[in-house]
Amino acid sequence: QSVLTQPPSVSAAPGQKVTISCSGSSSNIGNNYVSWYQQLPGTAPKLLIYDNNKRPSGIPDRFSGSKSGTSATLGITGLQTGDEADYYCGTWDSSLSHVVFGGGTKLTVL
Amino acid sequence: QVQLVQSGSELKKPGASVKVSCKASGYTFTSYAMNWVRQAPGQGLEWMGWINTNTGNPTYAQGFTGRFVFSLDTSVSTAYLQISSLKAEDTAVYYCARSGGGALFDYWGQGTLVTVSS
Repeated sequence: QSVLTQPPSVSAAPGQKVTISCSGSSSNIGNNYVSWYQQLPGTAPKLLIYDNNKRPSGIPDRFSGSKSGTSATLGITGLQTGDEADYYCGTWDSSLSHVVFGGGTKLTVL
Repeated sequence: QVQLVQSGSELKKPGASVKVSCKASGYTFTSYAMNWVRQAPGQGLEWMGWINTNTGNPTYAQGFTGRFVFSLDTSVSTAYLQISSLKAEDTAVYYCARSGGGALFDYWGQGTLVTVSS
């Protein structure tokens, strides 16, 4: 049971937009920065979004992040088949003194 | 360019020990913390803890105390994860990941698969 809650799966057609939610509490998302990671099949996770809404160099602006209260959202526009991956949110939990991750969301591009 | 290169896959018997290495290059090793993340087969990411690369002081997450040890050799910019008294449930891919604070892991190793089986 993950501290952060993500939907197990989402799907959309190529070219469409999808959002992935990440729900937490005041001890984690509510008072700390959120990061998002993309894990393509058989590879290591890759940083997509940090500090709630910032993109590392090289990450296209099709990927965006936002945070409101104790929830965060990853948005992906212009979906491509190459975006099929597992996506994880992560943040610091001040009560646990622990990094916590969501359970992951599998994105299928139909 | 920043790279974290981990040691290869390991097959161990229950009760044995394993030591996974993570060699960093392309940056000043002691300027960033090193974290360890476990991913069991078909499961999500689980943070194991981190080690301060300046002081060598490790911090272990709940569930990763006792049998898990983080260490460093700063002379070769390498972090290590040692797991003792291996159990079948330790079978997983173990990642090292550089962090600048919080849950911001900007570079990851390629992962090391540790399989525990008799």
